Amino acid sequence: ETGVTQTPRHLVMGMTNKKSLKCEQHLGHNAMYWYKQSAKKPLELMFVYSLEERVENNSVPSRFSPECPNSSHLFLHLHTLQPEDSALYLCASSQTTGESGNTIYFGEGSWLTVV
Amino acid sequence: AQKVTQAQTEISVVEKEDVTLDCVYETRDTTYYLFWYKQPPSGELVFLIRRNSFDEQNEISGRYSWNFQKSTSSFNFTITASQVVDSAVYFCALSEALTAGGSYIPTFGRGTSLIVHP
Repeated sequence: ETGVTQTPRHLVMGMTNKKSLKCEQHLGHNAMYWYKQSAKKPLELMFVYSLEERVENNSVPSRFSPECPNSSHLFLHLHTLQPEDSALYLCASSQTTGESGNTIYFGEGSWLTVV
Repeated sequence: AQKVTQAQTEISVVEKEDVTLDCVYETRDTTYYLFWYKQPPSGELVFLIRRNSFDEQNEISGRYSWNFQKSTSSFNFTITASQVVDSAVYFCALSEALTAGGSYIPTFGRGTSLIVHP
């Protein structure tokens, strides 16, 4: 069983749609992350939540809206996206304390296509 | 600021060849962690190994081995007798210790795409 699960795995949406990506971690971690990975580009850190508080927001456009209702769940709400937002969106979690060295564990990703 | 450089964008080998993926890092902290991840075509980044800065002992796991050298700020990854299933993008990452006051959020390199031909 994967420790971090993402749904849906694939999503096609129009530019006027509203959709959400969901992430759940079963590892008891205290931090969760959203990353974006576009073709031929490096991993981009979008948001970080630690103990359910947002601690990082890397100048992400407001059409992406994260939500972290508890330490196990993370959402990415999508609204009026652009075709260039098509990418693989990866959720991850980690334990920032202890001896784990903040090892990040990733979900399988959600492939998003904006048409 | 922490930085990770994977200078090799793409490596192409024939099955059974040995291949080394390079990773060079920069950090001002004395306590930090290094990681390697594998990303197959399916998309998920799979954690392979973590090393802390005080443990320079090299590690071997099956056909995989890692060479950590603080003197050259490198953490290289070697696959022995490569197989087609090793084809993936491999990422090196660095995080600083939370107690060191640095950024515990890992910094990733740009990745090296490994293609193993049959």
